[in-house]
Amino acid sequence: QQPVQSPQAVILREGEDAVINCSSSKALYSVHWYRQKHGEAPVFLMILLKGGEQKGHDKISASFNEKKQQSSLYLTASQLSYSGTYFCGTVNAGNNRKLIWGLGTSLAVNP
Amino acid sequence: NAGVTQTPKFRILKIGQSMTLQCTQDMNHNYMYWYRQDPGMGLKLIYYSVGAGITDKGEVPNGYNVSRSTTEDFPLRLELAAPSQTSVYFCASTGTSRDEQFFGPGTRLTVL
Repeated sequence: QQPVQSPQAVILREGEDAVINCSSSKALYSVHWYRQKHGEAPVFLMILLKGGEQKGHDKISASFNEKKQQSSLYLTASQLSYSGTYFCGTVNAGNNRKLIWGLGTSLAVNP
Repeated sequence: NAGVTQTPKFRILKIGQSMTLQCTQDMNHNYMYWYRQDPGMGLKLIYYSVGAGITDKGEVPNGYNVSRSTTEDFPLRLELAAPSQTSVYFCASTGTSRDEQFFGPGTRLTVL
């Protein structure tokens, strides 16, 4: 029931765009996105809730297709500070008390 | 507001030793979680709690125990440490599952 993230890794030049996908085989209650830099704890980016509500970040956007059980994270005009590993976490409709985390997408932004 | 604090930051254990990882939050959150993260991997849920006195197993609970006697504290106990428990351990808390999880800085544990 672990969500599947794609791609596994992305290399960008500063200013380029990227899309990271997260898909689940289970009906979803919500999708969470976090970014983790090496040696640090994950940092919250965004939550997408069933029904369309979003909570999150000004410069990063995301979508949630409840029917397809998929979410995508959109990083536009990337900055060097965007580098890190991006994780999606899904809350299943059957148990909305815990997150199940994907394996992560490594993003490197070069000058 | 300290957020989520974890102690210790680093620890080296010998095989068979025991220890307790401490986690405290000052945000009055009901939900608390313990995760482990192996190098280059995602987070695996060990145990979680939805309130004082209530705990439940996550994906990888074997070799660990927890208790939740207060809203603030959620200690993780390792009994009979094994090399497979070498990992980085994160504690997190949240008010509800509709909100972000706040993470502690992590405990880096090595079992030799």
